[in-house]
Parts: sequence; structure tokens; C-alpha cells
Amino acid sequence: DQQVKQNSPSLSVQEGRISILNCDYTNSMFDYFLWYKKYPAEGPTFLISISSIKDKNEDGRFTVFLNKSAKHLSLHIVPSQPGDSAVYFCAASSHGSGNTGKLIFGQGTTLQVKP
Amino acid sequence: EAQVTQNPRYLITVTGKKLTVTCSQNMNHEYMSWYRQDPGLGLRQIYYSMNVEVTDKGDVPEGYKVSRKEKRNFPLILESPSPNQTSLYFCASSSSGQMETQYFGPGTRLLVL
Repeated sequence: DQQVKQNSPSLSVQEGRISILNCDYTNSMFDYFLWYKKYPAEGPTFLISISSIKDKNEDGRFTVFLNKSAKHLSLHIVPSQPGDSAVYFCAASSHGSGNTGKLIFGQGTTLQVKP
Repeated sequence: EAQVTQNPRYLITVTGKKLTVTCSQNMNHEYMSWYRQDPGLGLRQIYYSMNVEVTDKGDVPEGYKVSRKEKRNFPLILESPSPNQTSLYFCASSSSGQMETQYFGPGTRLLVL
């Protein structure tokens, strides 16, 4: 059973426009969420995170929004650049007792930004 | 340069032939983990280690072993590989204070025939 789901396998946007990547989760115990970016032939790299006590976190062109009632988070990239073309993974964890650093990943969304 | 290294990067082997994938990090991280990435499934945790001599199973540990004798190294051992272990493997490390913010190695692509 997939606890973290990214229902869009791919997304294509024009350079300069906004990219919105979506992620849904089912486990209400998740209280920390992250986005990782992955280029071909490389490992994932951490991009941005958000705690469940917040509903928004911003870092430059990247903003993550969290809607706890809907169990939904999204990553906004504004403006999108060709170098943003990559696979984006949503991940979730629980900081509850016995935190093991375990991350549950979504399936990934491939973003293509066209010049 | 802070990094996580994995070797080999690519490996083709046959069913039943024991193999080891090495992982090393130079950031003095306490936490290390192994993942496998399969199409449509994202990354799934195989094993993790919170410090030297402390290891535990992740979500898909069957068919794998690990050891953590030194802080910097966390090898993944497949005692008797099978074709369903054909996958892309990633090692990751992080500090104990921010375990979720993990640094990943470049990956090892394994094909078991």
C-alpha cells in the first residue's frame, strides 16, 4: 500500500512559467515532509522540507505548501528553468517516538522545462 | 568535498553469486541507509544504521545483509542474489540531528541474471 503518492508521472512546462508538483499521503502520523530532486545517473538531492506545524515554506524559487486536512502537499517552482528538469520525489516521515529517520517516498514526477 | 561514494556503479551478476556493494561517506554522519529504486515504486528503504554496530531492517530487507563496523562505511551484502533484486541501489547518510535530510550516493545499477 503506497502511503505517499505522486499521481502525475510527468509534467511539462514552459521556461519562466510555474511548475506545480503534487503529492498525497495517507498516514496521519507523518509530520515532516521533504522534496528531493534527482538528475539522471545521480543520487537524489535534498531540495526543501516542511514540518506539519507549518503550511508553507519558501526557499528562493521553491515553495512547498502543506494542506494537512487534505493530506496533500505541493511544490511550486517559480519561475521554472530548463535546469529544473529532473525527477522530483516527495517523501514523508514521522518524528514521533522512536524516530528512525525513515523516509517513505512517492513514485516520483518527471519535470521537463522547455526553453 | 563532502560526498557519499558507492562501488561499483554498475554490476551484472548471476543468480546465487554473493556480492557486496560498498558505501562510504566522509561527513562523519551517524545515520546511514540503503534504498532500492524500482519503476513505479519510488525509493524503498532496505536497511538503516543509526550508528556504529547499530543496524535495523527497513521495509524490504529480505535477501540483504548489512554491517556497520566503522562510522564511514556501510556495505550492502547480497548473499545469494536473485533476479528480483535487479534494481537501482542508493546509499545515503545524514547527521543524527537531521536524519531526514539525507545525502545520497550516485547509485549502483545491479542486474541479476
